[in-house]
Amino acid sequence: QKEVEQDPGPLSVPEGAIVSLNCTYSNSAFQYFMWYRQYSRKGPELLMYTYSSGNKEDGRFTAQVDKSSKYISLFIRDSQPSDSATYLCAMTLGGFQKLVFGTGTRLLVSP
Amino acid sequence: EAGVVQSPRYKIIEKKQPVAFWCNPISGHNTLYWYRQNLGQGPELLIRYENEEAVDDSQLPKDRFSAERLKGVDSTLKIQPAELGDSAVYLCASSSRTSQNTGELFFGEGSRLTVL
Repeated sequence: QKEVEQDPGPLSVPEGAIVSLNCTYSNSAFQYFMWYRQYSRKGPELLMYTYSSGNKEDGRFTAQVDKSSKYISLFIRDSQPSDSATYLCAMTLGGFQKLVFGTGTRLLVSP
Repeated sequence: EAGVVQSPRYKIIEKKQPVAFWCNPISGHNTLYWYRQNLGQGPELLIRYENEEAVDDSQLPKDRFSAERLKGVDSTLKIQPAELGDSAVYLCASSSRTSQNTGELFFGEGSRLTVL
């Protein structure tokens, strides 16, 4: 079993839809949780970062962490075709030096 | 500010041949990482440098992979000899002490290796 599980998709939605992306993990010691976005043939870029449990909002994006369930989510409101990319969850025990990534979920937003 | 620069972007070689990838991190970033990303998978850490010292190379297959970061700036990742299973995207990333506090690694566009 992998430390971090993520549905690979693809997830296809129409423009304007609310998107929910999720990851589950097995190591309860993870403290820091991130979402990276990766466009085709590009490197990942940090989208959101949260510490421990709770919600964090940034524009159309909301990251949610439920440590009791070992489950994290990324919500995208009013999705746009430009949001079409692979979304990778990542987490670490601390120190931010060794991130453990999920497999990534490919999102397709159609106009 | 220039981002992380990697070369070559694409490389096709036959198995048993050597190959090398080069990375120039963002200026001032003391930490440099090499990740490997297989098709449909997330990146996996191969090696991490703090300045010129390799501080985590536990996932680097040392029988065929080697890396160096001379003078604590540019880095080279080498595979010799390459095997079919080495086909992947090799990502270089860098971070500063400040960006590490938010879990932010700055990735290059990657070097896509195909081994035939």
